[in-house]
Amino acid sequence: RKEVEQDPGPFNVPEGATVAFNCTYSNSASQSFFWYRQDCRKEPKLLMSVYSSGNEDGRFTAQLNRASQYISLLIRDSKLSDSATYLCVVNGGGTTDSWGKLQFGAGTQVVVTP
Amino acid sequence: EAQVTQNPRYLITVTGKKLTVTCSQNMNHEYMSWYRQDPGLGLRQIYYSMNVEVTDKGDVPEGYKVSRKEKRNFPLILESPSPNQTSLYFCATRGQAYNEQFFGPGTRLTVL
Repeated sequence: RKEVEQDPGPFNVPEGATVAFNCTYSNSASQSFFWYRQDCRKEPKLLMSVYSSGNEDGRFTAQLNRASQYISLLIRDSKLSDSATYLCVVNGGGTTDSWGKLQFGAGTQVVVTP
Repeated sequence: EAQVTQNPRYLITVTGKKLTVTCSQNMNHEYMSWYRQDPGLGLRQIYYSMNVEVTDKGDVPEGYKVSRKEKRNFPLILESPSPNQTSLYFCATRGQAYNEQFFGPGTRLTVL
């Protein structure tokens, strides 16, 4: 079983609509959670961190559910420029990597259509 | 401008011909790492380095070597490349907040 799992999509979303998707993680000791955005095989870039209480950044809302071990990302009022692959990233902690090993999901593709 | 650079960006080579992919960062970060990205598998860590002269294996280190002789550089070495090392490679650094990773632009490697 993969440590971080995502629905690969694609999620085809009309411009202006809302889309939401989840990511599940297997390590209950995970401490930090992030969403990264990756455009067409370019380098991933941090979109937002995910906090326990949930957080919002403009049209993007991230939620964490520790009990069920998943995080979610919701995009409101989708723009064409939101088309990308969204990577779920979990900091596992408690490993030989004292900074905490980052585990990446394979990504969820979002395609916003006119 | 803060950045991570990788060279070459694209490389086609043949089995067994040693190659090195360079990675350099100007952010004075201690932590650097190498990932490979393959369809459906996400990014998998090859090696990481928490500081100069300190390197350790990630999840998929077989067939790779690294060195960290100075803080800014973290080259990835393939002594004898094989076709299963055809992939998209990313170098990354990590800041003191331990959170955000900054990635290089990627190196697309094809081993024939």
